[in-house]
Amino acid sequence: AQKVTQAQTEISVVEKEDVTLDCVYETRDTTYYLFWYKQPPSGELVFLIRRNSFDEQNEISGRYSWNFQKSTSSFNFTITASQVVDSAVYFCALSEAWGGAQKLVFGQGTRLTINP
Amino acid sequence: DTGVSQDPRHKITKRGQNVTFRCDPISEHNRLYWYRQTLGQGPEFLTYFQNEAQLEKSRLLSDRFSAERPKGSFSTLEIQRTEQGDSAMYLCASSTGGGTSGNTIYFGEGSWLTVV
Repeated sequence: AQKVTQAQTEISVVEKEDVTLDCVYETRDTTYYLFWYKQPPSGELVFLIRRNSFDEQNEISGRYSWNFQKSTSSFNFTITASQVVDSAVYFCALSEAWGGAQKLVFGQGTRLTINP
Repeated sequence: DTGVSQDPRHKITKRGQNVTFRCDPISEHNRLYWYRQTLGQGPEFLTYFQNEAQLEKSRLLSDRFSAERPKGSFSTLEIQRTEQGDSAMYLCASSTGGGTSGNTIYFGEGSWLTVV
């Protein structure tokens, strides 16, 4: 069975600090996709990134960066120079391929609080 | 380009009543998903449509739950004889389909259900 673990339940930092959110996954598939979503208090899950299992290049998007390491089954997310607007619950998810469709298996989420 | 929209956003109902939620996906998306999220947890997959065909149902979806997507556009999720354990946020999502597991899934803001 596929599983995603986000061991950090809550993180609280002061604005402008860098913060890393950990994600560890388990899967027997050789082809899979990993995602990060942000969930602000409004409830909507906001897509941040999708990464396929064949692409281990790290990615940077503004203040966001992602470190994918297949050797340790991890897909960590770093926010540089955090801002109060980054406060939200962040979910890591694994795409389970099934008959051409896909189901996302989510971790339990990390609640990130950025204090001014 | 409008996103996934859900209605109602909040619903309070008495135990034993029926409730129905509606989801309008992104217009060109042929895949539609329903997820359920309880407090402090990540979303869990409930069911999936490709066009009007319901192709997969999770074991989480008891016989009291029924989902439809009659014309391959909007979808409804009905819960009959609600129970307190049904209290959760019901998230709708949509994506394009192409036979891969890596299509980005876009979520709506969710419909909160409280059963009293």
